[in-house]
Amino acid sequence: GAVVSQHPSWVICKSGTSVKIECRSLDFQATTMFWYRQFPKQSLMLMATSNEGSKATYEQGVEKDKFLINHASLTLSTLTVTSAHPEDSSFYICSVLPSGRAGELFFGEGSRLTVL
Amino acid sequence: AQKITQTQPGMFVQEKEAVTLDCTYDTSDQSYGLFWYKQPSSGEMIFLIYQGSYDEQNATEGRYSLNFQKARKSANLVISASQLGDSAMYFCAMREGPSGSQGNLIFGKGTKLSVKP
Repeated sequence: GAVVSQHPSWVICKSGTSVKIECRSLDFQATTMFWYRQFPKQSLMLMATSNEGSKATYEQGVEKDKFLINHASLTLSTLTVTSAHPEDSSFYICSVLPSGRAGELFFGEGSRLTVL
Repeated sequence: AQKITQTQPGMFVQEKEAVTLDCTYDTSDQSYGLFWYKQPSSGEMIFLIYQGSYDEQNATEGRYSLNFQKARKSANLVISASQLGDSAMYFCAMREGPSGSQGNLIFGKGTKLSVKP
């Protein structure tokens, strides 16, 4: 079964509205989660690193005021796309780094955002 | 500079045959981890196999094996006995740090594998 749950899988919204995507670690605690963005037929690009109890670390070129990340607990990180525009339409996927473990990252199922 | 290079945008393989997907990487770290993920059309990322930089033996997981050539900085994925369900995008990725434990995954551009019946 899934070890990382991401919700919603699909979301369609109007321009100017905000959308929240949840990434939940089901099987283990995670002090670190990563948020990626993937455009059609392209690779995954890291947006930000979410750290439990502290501010997220954003990659260059990613607007932190537009993509709000909250990692309030060891099992939940949220990404909020604020004032969404059509160019924000993309596939957003989170991954979880289990605390104290090396090796594999676990990915959520991804969330496909369409902004009209 | 690109850290993960996958030179094959698309590959075809006949069902039941083996296929090799290429991946080369660039890092100055001594400790790092190499990963392969499969992404079907549904979008989820499915972990296939992991190789640590200090692992002396090539990693194997069922029909998947990783041909790790450290001196050449290559980490090719070999899929044996291809199945129709193997058709998907395949991403090579690297994470730097001890045993690849730290930091985010850096992905290659992917290879689209199509298995022909």
